Amino acid sequence: DAKTTQPNSMESNEEEPVHLPCNHSTISGTDYIHWYRQLPSQGPEYVIHGLTSNVNNRMASLAIAEDRKSSTLILHRATLRDAAVYYCILRDRRQGGSEKLVFGKGTKLTVNP
Amino acid sequence: DAGVIQSPRHEVTEMGQEVTLRCKPISGHDYLFWYRQTMMRGLELLIYFNNNVPIDDSGMPEDRFSAKMPNASFSTLKIQPSEPRDSAVYFCASSLSTGVSSGYEQYFGPGTRLTVT
Repeated sequence: DAKTTQPNSMESNEEEPVHLPCNHSTISGTDYIHWYRQLPSQGPEYVIHGLTSNVNNRMASLAIAEDRKSSTLILHRATLRDAAVYYCILRDRRQGGSEKLVFGKGTKLTVNP
Repeated sequence: DAGVIQSPRHEVTEMGQEVTLRCKPISGHDYLFWYRQTMMRGLELLIYFNNNVPIDDSGMPEDRFSAKMPNASFSTLKIQPSEPRDSAVYFCASSLSTGVSSGYEQYFGPGTRLTVT
């Protein structure tokens, strides 16, 4: 499985934007970039995913570098509820095993009031 | 939809006892995943099913662990006999395959916190 590298932790202030980086220099052309987050004492939840183009949804934006070797999850206005561990995961989009997600250690985001 | 349902939410048992964890996936989803999370090892995939058939059980730690999916709405993860090192939070997740371009987003249950003493 292609690997991702994320900072262990980050801090932000409430109502400020947060940019969570992820490096994936060995990404292949068939890999999707997925982001999940895990709030304290809860199961992980899907945030967003993309392949080549930047993506937006109600939760966040995903900015993907032109060479796809890195990506950034953007929370436009952090709230206290966004404090969680954020996981950047590569998923092979080819059929046969593409359903699997391999979670790393993620980035623990602290949001200060 | 009620989401993925897991039971029990907490289980405390003694070493050597049999433990059965239960999961009800989201209706209509065709994939079901069992994960284990510990501080030391993080979130690990144990096994997953597609249309009730086990596809990949390479993450199952040893023969003491077994998982079944008798129908599309129910799965169990059994540990027999249990050991203290099995203490962890066990998550069940489900997803829907809608083509290779889909996100295969996984929806996780609240987890079962297992403590083996």
